[in-house]
Amino acid sequence: GIQVEQSPPDLILQEGANSTLRCNFSDSVNNLQWFHQNPWGQLINLFYIPSGTKQNGRLSATTVATERYSLLYISSSQTTDSGVYFCAVEGRGGGSNYKLTFGKGTLLTVNP
Amino acid sequence: SQTIHQWPATLVQPVGSPLSLECTVEGTSNPNLYWYRQAAGRGLQLLFYSVGIGQISSEVPQNLSASRPQDRQFILSSKKLLLSDSGFYLCAGKKGAYNEQFFGPGTRLTVL
Repeated sequence: GIQVEQSPPDLILQEGANSTLRCNFSDSVNNLQWFHQNPWGQLINLFYIPSGTKQNGRLSATTVATERYSLLYISSSQTTDSGVYFCAVEGRGGGSNYKLTFGKGTLLTVNP
Repeated sequence: SQTIHQWPATLVQPVGSPLSLECTVEGTSNPNLYWYRQAAGRGLQLLFYSVGIGQISSEVPQNLSASRPQDRQFILSSKKLLLSDSGFYLCAGKKGAYNEQFFGPGTRLTVL
């Protein structure tokens, strides 16, 4: 099956700093999503981005499907940005199942 | 937009007891539904998915089973819980090919 690798596994920032999280995947995808898991465990949808660039406030994401990677940018980080960020992909050829394969996540800690 | 409801939020059960976790979907019809487990650490593992009423596919052999008695209801069950069944269980739904997968708030299960 498709493989998803995220880097870095852990990241510690001071409030106000910028960061880039990376997601590499091993095959062509129909769908790519970025999630933020908050301290209560809820997975919050950040971006649905199988290709191209999107922005939402201080967050933006870019997926280069032909090179099989996606980047999540966090600017002017805040303590509330802390948590685990997951990249998940849906490989092609899966029929109507639309299953997501998750990376292992990046644990972001933003210190005040 | 669709909303995924799960209950209970937390559950502590003795080894050997039965389990029933319920997930319901609001705001869409005929969604694909998924059960994931997140063990200690960060990875999410897909356990079951369903493309329609009564249609269940299992991703990994285990002590658990799933059922979909109604279009917007997905149930995760066990006849006898094991210690290794402890974890954070997340239900998710997706409507159609080019849409996001959305997650419920999760159930944290501790088996003692």
